[in-house]
Amino acid sequence: EPEVTQTPSHQVTQMGQEVILRCVPISNHLYFYWYRQILGQKVEFLVSFYNNEISEKSEIFDDQFSVERPDGSNFTLKIRSTKLEDSAMYFCASRSGGDRELFFGEGSRLTVL
Amino acid sequence: QKEVEQNSGPLSVPEGAIASLNCTYSDRGSQSFFWYRQYSGKSPELIMSIYSNGDKEDGRFTAQLNKASQYVSLLIRDSQPSDSATYLCAPKGGSSNTGKLIFGQGTTLQVKP
Repeated sequence: EPEVTQTPSHQVTQMGQEVILRCVPISNHLYFYWYRQILGQKVEFLVSFYNNEISEKSEIFDDQFSVERPDGSNFTLKIRSTKLEDSAMYFCASRSGGDRELFFGEGSRLTVL
Repeated sequence: QKEVEQNSGPLSVPEGAIASLNCTYSDRGSQSFFWYRQYSGKSPELIMSIYSNGDKEDGRFTAQLNKASQYVSLLIRDSQPSDSATYLCAPKGGSSNTGKLIFGQGTTLQVKP
C-alpha cells in the first residue's frame, strides 16, 4: 500500500541551527502539507503546497520556515534558525485531490536543545 | 470560539460497549469531515470520512453528521482494547480551497478489558 515516508524519524539539534525535514509523498498525489504537534497538544496546520507553490500557510509558518519540492518526489520543510519552541513532531501529509482525505507520514520528532 | 471542539476525556468504556465521540465545529462552510485515530507517539490514521448529513457506517464505526447543528460524531460499537487511542475530528476548512484539515484537540478513549 502506498505511504508517505518521512526522514529523519528523530532529530536533535542545538538552538539556532538549521534543520531540514524530508518527506516523500504518495506518488500520484498533488497536494502536500506539513503539520506539527507539540507534545500533548493538537495537530496544527503549517502549510499547504500545490503546483510547486505555497497555497496556504498558517501564522506559525513565519519567515524561519520554508518548503520546497526540489524534484518530482521529495517535499522538504526547512527551519532556518531553530528555537526551543520548535520542538515538536512534524507530520507530512499528501492528498490526491477533490475532497479526499489526507494521508500522513509517520512523523519526524524534532528536539531543540 | 475554538474552530473544532472535542471533549478531551478520557472517555472510559468497558470492552464490548459502545463509545460515543462528539465534535462541534465553527466553520459553516465546511463540507467534508474526517475522523482520525492517533495512538500515542504515532501519526493520525484515517478512520472515517463523511460528507452528507446523516449516518455513515463502516464495520464497527458509524459517523454521524448534522451540518445545521455543526455537529459530527463517531460511534464505535463492540469497543476493543485496541481501540484505546485519541480520536481526532477534522473538518476540511470551508473557506479554504487548499484541502487543509483543521484538527480538534482529540478525545482520548480508554477501553477497559
